[in-house]
Amino acid sequence: AQSVTQLGSHVSVSEGALVLLRCNYSSSVPPYLFWYVQYPNQGLQLLLKYTTGATLVKGINGFEAEFKKSETSFHLTKPSAHMSDAAEYFCAVSDLRGGSNYKLTFGKGTLLTVNP
Amino acid sequence: DTGVSQDPRHKITKRGQNVTFRCDPISEHNRLYWYRQTLGQGPEFLTYFQNEAQLEKSRLLSDRFSAERPKGSFSTLEIQRTEQGDSAMYLCASSQGQGIEKLFFGSGTQLSVL
Repeated sequence: AQSVTQLGSHVSVSEGALVLLRCNYSSSVPPYLFWYVQYPNQGLQLLLKYTTGATLVKGINGFEAEFKKSETSFHLTKPSAHMSDAAEYFCAVSDLRGGSNYKLTFGKGTLLTVNP
Repeated sequence: DTGVSQDPRHKITKRGQNVTFRCDPISEHNRLYWYRQTLGQGPEFLTYFQNEAQLEKSRLLSDRFSAERPKGSFSTLEIQRTEQGDSAMYLCASSQGQGIEKLFFGSGTQLSVL
């Protein structure tokens, strides 16, 4: 069974500081990995995804994440936080190669606060 | 592309009542998914449709829950005899193609069972 652990339910940074949101996964097969963002009163929006190929993936709004198989991690980073980045972020895993190409397993989410 | 829309945005009901939610996916998307999100948790998979066929149901979906997608367009999720534990945000998502490489989520229906 797949699972996702997001370390830190709440992360607070200053505007302009580095953003680091941690995600570790468990999967019996090589996973597909995703980061979604949820702004207040809006639906979840895909930030970026890792499927195959390059392990450093770039997404929207200046975010990127690196798939590290040896550490079973997929941490999300952004060099410089903006006030508009304040939102809840969810890491998710899909057992796509295992045939379950219809289900995402989400972590509990990390609320990012950006202070002026 | 008007996005995935869900109706209503909020629903307050009394325990024991039946409720129905509607989801309109992006028009050309053949796959439709329902997820449930409770406070402090990430979304949990409930069920999905490929066109009009319901192909998978989570064990979370008790027999009080039923979902339909007639004609492969909009979908409804009905909860019969609601319980307080059903209080949650119900999310609908859609995608095109065979995989889930990019889901488009609606804003959800917040259900409160009193």
